Amino acid sequence: QKEVEQNSGPLSVPEGAIASLNCTYSDRVSQSFFWYRQYSGKSPELIMSIYSNGDKEDGRFTAQLNKASQYVSLLIRDSQPSDSATYLCAARGYSSASKIIFGSGTRLSIRP
Amino acid sequence: DVKVTQSSRYLVKRTGEKVFLECVQDMDHENMFWYRQDPGLGLRLIYFSYDVKMKEKGDIPEGYSVSREKKERFSLILESASTNQTSMYLCASSQGAKDYGYTFGSGTRLTVV
Repeated sequence: QKEVEQNSGPLSVPEGAIASLNCTYSDRVSQSFFWYRQYSGKSPELIMSIYSNGDKEDGRFTAQLNKASQYVSLLIRDSQPSDSATYLCAARGYSSASKIIFGSGTRLSIRP
Repeated sequence: DVKVTQSSRYLVKRTGEKVFLECVQDMDHENMFWYRQDPGLGLRLIYFSYDVKMKEKGDIPEGYSVSREKKERFSLILESASTNQTSMYLCASSQGAKDYGYTFGSGTRLTVV
């Protein structure tokens, strides 16, 4: 099993709906998790971090962490065409305190 | 805001050339990283550094070396460029504390012909 796994998509969501992105992780990562957004041809941009079980909200974004089931989710409310991008789930590895392990990304498309 | 600056946005080099990719960050971050990103393969870690003059191999170090002589600068060196090193190269930095993510530079798209 990979340390961080995501469905590659594409995930197509109508404008205004909730987009739900999911990620599972193995025992080889620690308890710090991150969501990055990457537009085509651009570099990844950190949008959310979560360290504790439960939900963390920031504007239209909500990150959810469930340690018992080993999954992390990102919800995007009121999806906009500008949210169309690849979303990378990432987690800090145990083997090296500062190294982050990235999933392969889920491509999200918001259709008008 | 932290700025991570990569010296070139696009670069075209010939096979066998020695190539230098430069990365500078302006927020006194301890940690710096070099990744390459290829379609279908995601982000792959080449080398990283926790401190000046320190370096550690990532997942795909073959054909690359790095240099960190100053805290703010982390250079990636392709000793003898090959066509399979054509890729997007991304530099990132982070603070020493565990609970921070990375800040990425804008990337260098390298083409080796």
